[in-house]
Amino acid sequence: DAKTTQPTSMDCAEGRAANLPCNHSTISGNEYVYWYRQIHSQGPQYIIHGLKNNETNEMASLIITEDRKSSTLILPHATLRDTAVYYCTSTSGTYKYIFGTGTRLKVLA
Amino acid sequence: EPEVTQTPSHQVTQMGQEVILRCVPISNHLYFYWYRQILGQKVEFLVSFYNNEISEKSEIFDDQFSVERPDGSNFTLKIRSTKLEDSAMYFCASSEVLGANYGYTFGSGTRLTVV
Repeated sequence: DAKTTQPTSMDCAEGRAANLPCNHSTISGNEYVYWYRQIHSQGPQYIIHGLKNNETNEMASLIITEDRKSSTLILPHATLRDTAVYYCTSTSGTYKYIFGTGTRLKVLA
Repeated sequence: EPEVTQTPSHQVTQMGQEVILRCVPISNHLYFYWYRQILGQKVEFLVSFYNNEISEKSEIFDDQFSVERPDGSNFTLKIRSTKLEDSAMYFCASSEVLGANYGYTFGSGTRLTVV
């Protein structure tokens, strides 16, 4: 599974888009990129995943570069409840995720 | 929305005692997992379980740990003789299939404190 790197922390104004980057330069061709978030000490919450194409769901959008070496999670209209630690990870279908330290996103009123 | 339920939410135990952490995965899910998070540290994979056997485990999951699906609904993690360093949040997760389109669903966790 690829090693991922993310900024330690970011701030975002409420109502604005939050763009969270992730580098996964060692990702292999069959590895999916997954995003989870953890609010306080709750269990991680699945947000979105993708392989090559950009993806969108009711929570977020995922933009993956053409070379697949990086991706960006977009929360289109951040709210205070989106304050959390966001994890980018990858898996090729093995049974585990490797979580890094993630990005601590603080949404400011 | 279906949930993974974990009990108890907080367990305090004395060093050397056995503890069993319980989880009720989502009913139609087939893959089950345990992760842990020591305070202030990363979420770490412990073990995955499918078809009544361990499919993968980490180096953390040593002989002190075991998992079981004793009936059709529960999934348990047993720590045979707890150590101070076992103090952590323990998260259970389940998924419908491997690499499911909806990712894994995690429970809210059990905070284990070993004194």
